[in-house]
Amino acid sequence: GAVVSQHPSRVICKSGTSVKIECRSLDFQATTMFWYRQFPKQSLMLMATSNEGSKATYEQGVEKDKFLINHASLTLSTLTVTSAHPEDSSFYICSARRVDRLTDTQYFGPGTRLTVL
Amino acid sequence: QKEVEQNSGPLSVPEGAIASLNCTYSDRGSQSFFWYRQYSGKSPELIMFIYSNGDKEDGRFTAQLNKASQYVSLLIRDSQPSDSATYLCAVARQAGTALIFGKGTTLSVSS
Repeated sequence: GAVVSQHPSRVICKSGTSVKIECRSLDFQATTMFWYRQFPKQSLMLMATSNEGSKATYEQGVEKDKFLINHASLTLSTLTVTSAHPEDSSFYICSARRVDRLTDTQYFGPGTRLTVL
Repeated sequence: QKEVEQNSGPLSVPEGAIASLNCTYSDRGSQSFFWYRQYSGKSPELIMFIYSNGDKEDGRFTAQLNKASQYVSLLIRDSQPSDSATYLCAVARQAGTALIFGKGTTLSVSS
């Protein structure tokens, strides 16, 4: 399968600070990447769709000014959690869309576990 | 009605048995269907995708799709303890659009 990386894998920060998470597609170009959030024992919830070279599309209820998304290249999307608070503590996972002749699938990064103190 | 529904389980099967995981979806216009496996504390890993009605086999895994019934399933043959995980069904209305996930079914394979 395709390889998608995320960095950092785990971050602990103080309330009020900003945290940047990087998502990279390592062996393919991804015009579209997706950002999900998963709370314990719950399913993945889509936060936003990130398109290379254009503004991200946010899901209802997700604050675009709080969760800044940048997709500046075909292999990198970043999510910045601004002024993080304890309720933002969660598992953040990105996925990258890979398209080839036969398939159109999404591959997930390993996730970033954010803990806000 | 939730968009993608799965029985949360746990589904318990003995080693070597067939595990059958089921999923229904509400959007009749859905085009792409995926099964992901997620171990505790890890991100989802793609197992199978299926686009057309019928069966698709890959090793010990078989995905089955019935668009008329809005039903997709995953069969795991010769289940192993390492298959114990949460299995997520995901659906996309169009290719390349965001996936809508079910809440997952927890599978436990006992040795």
